[in-house]
Amino acid sequence: GAGVSQSPSNKVTEKGKDVELRCDPISGHTALYWYRQSLGQGLEFLIYFQGNSAPDKSGLPSDRFSAERTGGSVSTLTIQRTQQEDSAVYLCASSLVTGSPLHFGNGTRLTVT
Amino acid sequence: DQQVKQNSPSLSVQEGRISILNCDYTNSMFDYFLWYKKYPAEGPTFLISISSIKDKNEDGRFTVFLNKSAKHLSLHIVPSQPGDSAVYFCAATEKMEYGNKLVFGAGTILRVKS
Repeated sequence: GAGVSQSPSNKVTEKGKDVELRCDPISGHTALYWYRQSLGQGLEFLIYFQGNSAPDKSGLPSDRFSAERTGGSVSTLTIQRTQQEDSAVYLCASSLVTGSPLHFGNGTRLTVT
Repeated sequence: DQQVKQNSPSLSVQEGRISILNCDYTNSMFDYFLWYKKYPAEGPTFLISISSIKDKNEDGRFTVFLNKSAKHLSLHIVPSQPGDSAVYFCAATEKMEYGNKLVFGAGTILRVKS
């Protein structure tokens, strides 16, 4: 079956511009996570959505970052006024139920010039 | 402060031999641990997990060992195959049943030479 789909796969943007990254989770998965991996670093938690509950935004690095999940399915991560340190691979993951292993998408590689 | 540490950035092993990947953690509240494998340009894929109530979990060529007193876990791959060459991430969480976020290590690059 279809896995987690992320778009675009690559994004190059100029410093100061806004970007939107999209995630389509596996159908029926109730939990959705955003992580990012900077060069040479591990995966850094950003935000977590579970059903209709309020999202856990504790990992968002600044107020320039926001995310929403519409209709309990597709999620969009928005970065406003991008900075060079935002350059990273942004990974989305979903899980069937709370507690089951995460299924990751292939990520969006963001480069801020 | 890194709560999950993978101190070896890379490991090189001969095909057929054992690969041992290590992971240390500092948060004593972690009670569920996972290993993920990542190929270039792909997302991480789940490999194997272990609950803190166990000290060993085996799945085919992959075995994870947990030493709670030492806050240490390891992944053993026997026998290693060239297709195992990838980046391996250790991850930990507490209260997995509540969907708590995973805390990942920085990863270890495994190269299996044929």
